[in-house]
Amino acid sequence: EVQLLESGGGLVQPGGSLKLSCAASGFTFSSYAMSWVRQAPGKGLEWVSAISGSGDSTYYADSVKGRFTISRDHSKNTLYLQMNSLRAADTAVYYCAKAAASTITARFNYWGQGTLVTVSS
Amino acid sequence: DIQMTQSPSSLSASVGDRVTITCRASQGISNYLAWYQQKPGKVPKLLIYAASTLQSGVPSRFSGSGSGADFTLTISSLQPEDVATYYCQNYNSAPLTFGGGTQVEIK
Repeated sequence: EVQLLESGGGLVQPGGSLKLSCAASGFTFSSYAMSWVRQAPGKGLEWVSAISGSGDSTYYADSVKGRFTISRDHSKNTLYLQMNSLRAADTAVYYCAKAAASTITARFNYWGQGTLVTVSS
Repeated sequence: DIQMTQSPSSLSASVGDRVTITCRASQGISNYLAWYQQKPGKVPKLLIYAASTLQSGVPSRFSGSGSGADFTLTISSLQPEDVATYYCQNYNSAPLTFGGGTQVEIK
């Protein structure tokens, strides 16, 4: 059974940093691309970042480019999102999502339960 | 970047009604289009991929069509458990943009 478990969310001040983790199990982690998707309170889904199965290719939404870094550790079956220079507009539930292929051009067939990030002073 | 525009943003229909949601891409994306359902307080769930392929376990009253830039999600007979927000998504190329969502309610 595929499981994705996010952690690392919490309250952080504007300008601060936070690192999210997504522990994956139930599938061959290195064979599938992964993404982070966020949802601000009461708003729609926003794709944030993606990484290929090999980890060689990364992609970012313009809204986070230069501030967020996606990475993966195949030895730990874990996906990460390092978030720096956080803004109030980054407040959201952050989901990790598994793609159905090793490249990012694939549907998201599994989602984690999400972790809440709140940026506020 | 490819923009995804959904309409309507919300709708109210009776149980048993046929419901149609449209999604338009700002440029052609072939059939790299997915539909997700998000029930209140829940995680998004994949309904349809490749514009018209039903994900395993999804009821057959859901269907998708379209190719290029114009796509449609249809619920052939609306059920109470279909109350949710529906999102389309481009996965042809990054950024993997979502539409703004369509909130479906029961009248």
